[in-house]
Amino acid sequence: NAGVTQTPKFQVLKTGQSMTLQCAQDMNHNSMYWYRQDPGMGLRLIYYSASEGTTDKGEVPNGYNVSRLNKREFSLRLESAAPSQTSVYFCASSEWTVSTGELFFGEGSRLTVL
Amino acid sequence: SQQGEEDPQALSIQEGENATMNCSYKTSINNLQWYRQNSGRGLVHLILIRSNEREKHSGRLRVTLDTSKKSSSLLITASRAADTASYFCSSSGNQFYFGTGTSLTVIP
Repeated sequence: NAGVTQTPKFQVLKTGQSMTLQCAQDMNHNSMYWYRQDPGMGLRLIYYSASEGTTDKGEVPNGYNVSRLNKREFSLRLESAAPSQTSVYFCASSEWTVSTGELFFGEGSRLTVL
Repeated sequence: SQQGEEDPQALSIQEGENATMNCSYKTSINNLQWYRQNSGRGLVHLILIRSNEREKHSGRLRVTLDTSKKSSSLLITASRAADTASYFCSSSGNQFYFGTGTSLTVIP
């Protein structure tokens, strides 16, 4: 049982380049999330998808777009990367969005924007 | 942060001692959860306490919740070197919001 799988694990971009972080879960969860983790800032919610076909902004959505491709997959796109987007990105999933259960996390994608 | 803060930011103890970390949150919650993150890894769920509960135990973990003070504490008893990690609380109202974490070092 793989859980939550993120790709790529590491990526280096130049300012202005675009890229997509991929996330897939095999637990048949309804809700999926993207967080970023920065030193001293904890985890901040970028976007979430309560269920297939819906997406909503979190705390720090600017500069990002998301796509809930199907129930399993939730991608995060940086259209024009900036150095401020250097971070570790985590995808997570849960059975339902109204927090009756726990979040399951991927291992993270480490992005550096030069 | 939408969530709040963990306290202390860093904690260093000897193996066998107890470790206590605290969490404050800002909004009303359905439940509060604690997670652990080993260096370079994703977060792993430890324990959930519902808003109508005051205390919960799981193995060497004890969590308390005070909704009037919007605070929670996590106690790890008889700590081990393998408990070295960062610990985060997550308040769960509409969404899962996290604090900044407590970095725990257990010295063998």
